[in-house]
Amino acid sequence: AQSVTQLGSHVSVSEGALVLLRCNYSSSVPPYLFWYVQYPNQGLQLLLKYTTGATLVKGINGFEAEFKKSETSFHLTKPSAHMSDAAEYFCAVGGQNFVFGPGTRLSVLP
Amino acid sequence: EPEVTQTPSHQVTQMGQEVILRCVPISNHLYFYWYRQILGQKVEFLVSFYNNEISEKSEIFDDQFSVERPDGSNFTLKIRSTKLEDSAMYFCASSEAAGSWNEQFFGPGTRLTVL
Repeated sequence: AQSVTQLGSHVSVSEGALVLLRCNYSSSVPPYLFWYVQYPNQGLQLLLKYTTGATLVKGINGFEAEFKKSETSFHLTKPSAHMSDAAEYFCAVGGQNFVFGPGTRLSVLP
Repeated sequence: EPEVTQTPSHQVTQMGQEVILRCVPISNHLYFYWYRQILGQKVEFLVSFYNNEISEKSEIFDDQFSVERPDGSNFTLKIRSTKLEDSAMYFCASSEAAGSWNEQFFGPGTRLTVL
């Protein structure tokens, strides 16, 4: 069975600071990994995904994530946080259906 | 850009009543899904649907739930007799194909409140 954990239900960073949102997964087969963002009162928007190939994946809005098989991780990063990045972020493992992590709420302080 | 739409955005109902949540998937997509997010909790898979049949369902998707594609565009989730614990945000999603690498496109959700 697949599972996803996200360390830190709430992360606060200052505007301009590095954003690091952690995701670890468990999967019995090679995983396909996704990060989704949910802005207040909106649906889930795909930020980026890893399927095969390059382990460093770039997404929208300056986010990127690196797949590390040895660490079973797929952490999301952004070099410089912007106020508009404040949202809930979900890591997910793809499959017949998606298995989502519990989410991390990102707050960006001025 | 094509998107998944859902109606209504917010549904309030009395316990024991039937509700139907509606979704219009992206037009060329073949696979459809419903997920649920109880307030403050993670997004949970309910059911997937392909070729007018349920492909997979979770333990949450019991006999009180049903899905239907009544026409060529709509995809509905029916809860026959709502319970307080059905209060949640319900997301519809669609994808071009099945497979773990395929992106699922999510709608904005319907917030269901059961009183």
